[in-house]
Amino acid sequence: QKEVEQDPGPLSVPEGAIVSLNCTYSNSAFQYFMWYRQYSRKGPELLMYTYSSGNKEDGRFTAQVDKSSKYISLFIRDSQPSDSATYLCAMKLTGGGNKLTFGTGTQLKVEL
Amino acid sequence: DTGVSQNPRHKITKRGQNVTFRCDPISEHNRLYWYRQTLGQGPEFLTYFQNEAQLEKSRLLSDRFSAERPKGSFSTLEIQRTEQGDSAMYLCASTETGDEQYFGPGTRLTVT
Repeated sequence: QKEVEQDPGPLSVPEGAIVSLNCTYSNSAFQYFMWYRQYSRKGPELLMYTYSSGNKEDGRFTAQVDKSSKYISLFIRDSQPSDSATYLCAMKLTGGGNKLTFGTGTQLKVEL
Repeated sequence: DTGVSQNPRHKITKRGQNVTFRCDPISEHNRLYWYRQTLGQGPEFLTYFQNEAQLEKSRLLSDRFSAERPKGSFSTLEIQRTEQGDSAMYLCASTETGDEQYFGPGTRLTVT
């Protein structure tokens, strides 16, 4: 079993929809949680970074962390065709080398 | 442009040849990471530098792989005697705090 599980999709939604992307993890020592967006053949782009349980909002994006359930989510409101990409969740331990452990990514397509 | 840069962007090589990739991190970022990403998967950690010291290596990094970061600035990743299984996107990331990691565009390696 992988440390981080993420539904690979693909997920197709109409423009303007609310998108929910999720990851579960098994290592309760993970303390920092990130969401990256990756366009085809490009490097990952950091979208959201959270430390504690709860919600963090940035524009149309909301990141949610539930450490008790080992479950994180990214919500995208008013989705746009330009949001079409692969979304990767990532997490890391406190201290040490701070290497990131990624999910497999969810491919999202927002259609007109 | 003050982002992470990687060169070359794409490398095609024949099996058995040696290849070297370069990463230039964001200025003053003292931590630098290498990851490898295969199709349909999230990036996997390879190795980590703090300044010029290589502090952690993944077991994914076989003896054919070597990384350096002389003078704590740019880094190189060399693969000797390439194999078809080495075909992947090689990603570099840097961070100042150890928390938010910023990725470069990646080097796509194709071994024929």
